[in-house]
Amino acid sequence: DQQVKQNSPSLSVQEGRISILNCDYTNSMFDYFLWYKKYPAEGPTFLISISSIKDKNEDGRFTVFLNKSAKHLSLHIVPSQPGDSAVYFCAASKAAGNKLTFGGGTRVLVKP
Amino acid sequence: NAGVTQTPKFRVLKTGQSMTLLCAQDMNHEYMYWYRQDPGMGLRLIHYSVGEGTTAKGEVPDGYNVSRLKKQNFLLGLESAAPSQTSVYFCASSNPGTGLSNQPQHFGDGTRLSIL
Repeated sequence: DQQVKQNSPSLSVQEGRISILNCDYTNSMFDYFLWYKKYPAEGPTFLISISSIKDKNEDGRFTVFLNKSAKHLSLHIVPSQPGDSAVYFCAASKAAGNKLTFGGGTRVLVKP
Repeated sequence: NAGVTQTPKFRVLKTGQSMTLLCAQDMNHEYMYWYRQDPGMGLRLIHYSVGEGTTAKGEVPDGYNVSRLKKQNFLLGLESAAPSQTSVYFCASSNPGTGLSNQPQHFGDGTRLSIL
């Protein structure tokens, strides 16, 4: 049973518009969440994170929102750029531990 | 600065053969991890290590063994390869987290392994 789920396997968006990626989790012990970006034939690279004591974290064009009561987080990319085309993974961990549980990924295609 | 380096990048094995995947990191990280990535499954943790000489099981450890004899290296072994182990394998490293903050893991570029 997947504890972290990304229900949209793919997303297509026009350049300059907003990309919204969603992630749901079931384990209430998770309290630190990360997003990773992956290009083909490369390893995942860290994008942005959020701890459970916050409901929003922003870094440039990337913002992550956390709704603990709904066990849901989302990643907003504004504005989307062609270089953002990649697979995005949501990951979760428990406090004081670095073991990550990943979602299945969402493939984003940004059209020029 | 190489970061996390995995060798080999590609390998084809026959069922029953053995092999070792090597991971090396030059960031002096304490923690190292091995994951496998399968379509639609994301990355799943196989084994991990929180320091030289220590290893622990992750989510999918069966059929794999690991060793961390040196801080900078983490080896993943397949003693008797099976077709179900066909996957892309990623190694990662990080430092320990503090309080509610975890240190992001840094990944290698993966090893694509096919078992026939």
